[in-house]
Amino acid sequence: AQTVTQSQPEMSVQEAETVTLSCTYDTSENNYYLFWYKQPPSRQMILVIRQEAYKQQNATENRFSVNFQKAAKSFSLKISDSQLGDTAMYFCAFYAGNMLTFGGGTRLMVKP
Amino acid sequence: AAGVIQSPRHLIKEKRETATLKCYPIPRHDTVYWYQQGPGQDPQFLISFYEKMQSDKGSIPDRFSAQQFSDYHSELNMSSLELGDSALYFCASSGRRGQKAYEQYFGPGTRLTVT
Repeated sequence: AQTVTQSQPEMSVQEAETVTLSCTYDTSENNYYLFWYKQPPSRQMILVIRQEAYKQQNATENRFSVNFQKAAKSFSLKISDSQLGDTAMYFCAFYAGNMLTFGGGTRLMVKP
Repeated sequence: AAGVIQSPRHLIKEKRETATLKCYPIPRHDTVYWYQQGPGQDPQFLISFYEKMQSDKGSIPDRFSAQQFSDYHSELNMSSLELGDSALYFCASSGRRGQKAYEQYFGPGTRLTVT
């Protein structure tokens, strides 16, 4: 079974600054995928970024990038130039087989 | 682009009643997943279907059942509702298994309140 751990229940950042959210996971799988999902107050689950485990290059999507360390089983999310609209709950998720396993989430508050 | 549709968006039921949640996947998606997110918790996988057959099963109570129909929509049936069933229920869909099956797109969720 896979486990996903997000050690930061809450974080805050000033608008326009950079913040990094941490995620670690445990698995015996070799082929898997990792994701960050954003859940704003509307509760909609929005896919932010994905990373294939077989790829060494870190994924980037505009202001969002990841630091994927496969050997350390670490998958952190960096948000650059934080915006007020980034305020949300962020979930790290692991996919293998046919289901997603989520971490406990990090609540991010972007302050003006 | 078309997204995952869930209905109803909100549902209020009393204890011991029955509820049915519906999910309409993105067109041409053949796999449907159900997740339950309790207050202040992360989403928990319940069950999934691929090509109208149950694919995987997670922490779904025996009081719950689900199926996928010929048009690929899915229904989650919940009986003998308990207060602890109050949660946000997400449906997600993905494309053909093996071809970006890992990309799950979530619907807006159905908020179930049991009183």
